[in-house]
Amino acid sequence: SAVISQKPSRDICQRGTSLTIQCQVDSQVTMMFWYRQQPGQSLTLIATANQGSEATYESGFVIDKFPISRPNLTFSTLTVSNMSPEDSSIYLCSVAGGTGGLGTVGELFFGEGSRLTVL
Amino acid sequence: LAKTTQPISMDSYEGQEVNITCSHNNIATNDYITWYQQFPSQGPRFIIQGYKTKVTNEVASLFIPADRKSSTLSLPRVSLSDTAVYYCLVGDSGGGFKTIFGAGTRLFVKA
Repeated sequence: SAVISQKPSRDICQRGTSLTIQCQVDSQVTMMFWYRQQPGQSLTLIATANQGSEATYESGFVIDKFPISRPNLTFSTLTVSNMSPEDSSIYLCSVAGGTGGLGTVGELFFGEGSRLTVL
Repeated sequence: LAKTTQPISMDSYEGQEVNITCSHNNIATNDYITWYQQFPSQGPRFIIQGYKTKVTNEVASLFIPADRKSSTLSLPRVSLSDTAVYYCLVGDSGGGFKTIFGAGTRLFVKA
């Protein structure tokens, strides 16, 4: 299993500002994922972050708005830039890990999320 | 990536068995079926995973028919603490765990 810590756990931000969310994993992982979960909604994948390469963004998300860093195998950051109230969401960091069982393809481990409120 | 369809919500009472069915008609040969549970203000948590037939662990059972176009998560004797959103996902490790979440099923367990 993997233990994931996210900071901040929550924040209230002003429109037009930027906030960086940190994700720390207790083990080395190749792939890290950033998700957004808007109130009452399911999770939406923002991007996949591999160490040593540019993050891969999903449709509707761009690097200028959500720049991602992946400096090593245990850490990543997601910045939400030039925030607007529509960016108010929970942002979740996730990593892929093995269940350890035969005939499986592993599972995702999630952090507790960072709840952003933009005024 | 295969799309999944689940009921939006379900109600149950404590002590009952709950079965949540997920449809995934376009599941690929290499895809596995994985279920996650999410409580408010927490990230999703892995429940169970399977490829075919039946899988059981200490938390739940997963039933997958031969055609694999659907799956059923079975929660035995639910309690109030099982109130959560349950997500059914299909995918394979070759997709790099590029996991797409569907709408999920909101389970309400009543006393």
